[in-house]
Amino acid sequence: GENVEQHPSTLSVQEGDSAVIKCTYSDSASNYFPWYKQELGKGPQLIIDIRSNVGEKKDQRIAVTLNKTAKHFSLHITETQPEDSAVYFCAARSSNTGKLIFGQGTTLQVKP
Amino acid sequence: DGGITQSPKYLFRKEGQNVTLSCEQNLNHDAMYWYRQDPGQGLRLIYYSQIVNDFQKGDIAEGYSVSREKKESFPLTVTSAQKNPTAFYLCASSIEGTGGISYEQYFGPGTRLTVT
Repeated sequence: GENVEQHPSTLSVQEGDSAVIKCTYSDSASNYFPWYKQELGKGPQLIIDIRSNVGEKKDQRIAVTLNKTAKHFSLHITETQPEDSAVYFCAARSSNTGKLIFGQGTTLQVKP
Repeated sequence: DGGITQSPKYLFRKEGQNVTLSCEQNLNHDAMYWYRQDPGQGLRLIYYSQIVNDFQKGDIAEGYSVSREKKESFPLTVTSAQKNPTAFYLCASSIEGTGGISYEQYFGPGTRLTVT
């Protein structure tokens, strides 16, 4: 079936360093890839997304890159801050059903 | 102030009881979704609805039921048939479910259900 693999499951960085989270998807026809940030006890918040006709998208300190050939996409956070600490989820939109298939999540810890 | 509301934030029930979780949105979105989240895991789709009076099963629908009588409301009932109901339940909505040009899903704050 359709699935999304996300790595690493945990990531610890020093404040000011960069963080990269990677996801691989199985459905080559997937056309939409969002990233969500979830703080403890709260609902996920959409932070950035990318469509299959674009290779890269930036929003201030956050960027997402997409490699359709390899079927993987990555979240890049530069100049990390303690408030970036959270669980991050990637997802891919199924071309068959339109549903989002989520990765398992990455717990990011930014140490001051 | 637009958004998705879920109530209550915490819910406690005894085993064998049905319980209904509320989800309301004032974003004028057509599609609504229910997800379940277990500790250390991703989100799994329970049910979704692309239009009023219509809904489809997701990946883990057994033991759950929904209704969609109004565009802004999509309540989820966790029945006594659900073997492991304790979890964090998330409701989401999007402008269009399929076939549209906008795919963004927005989530509510969640309801943590504990069944003992």
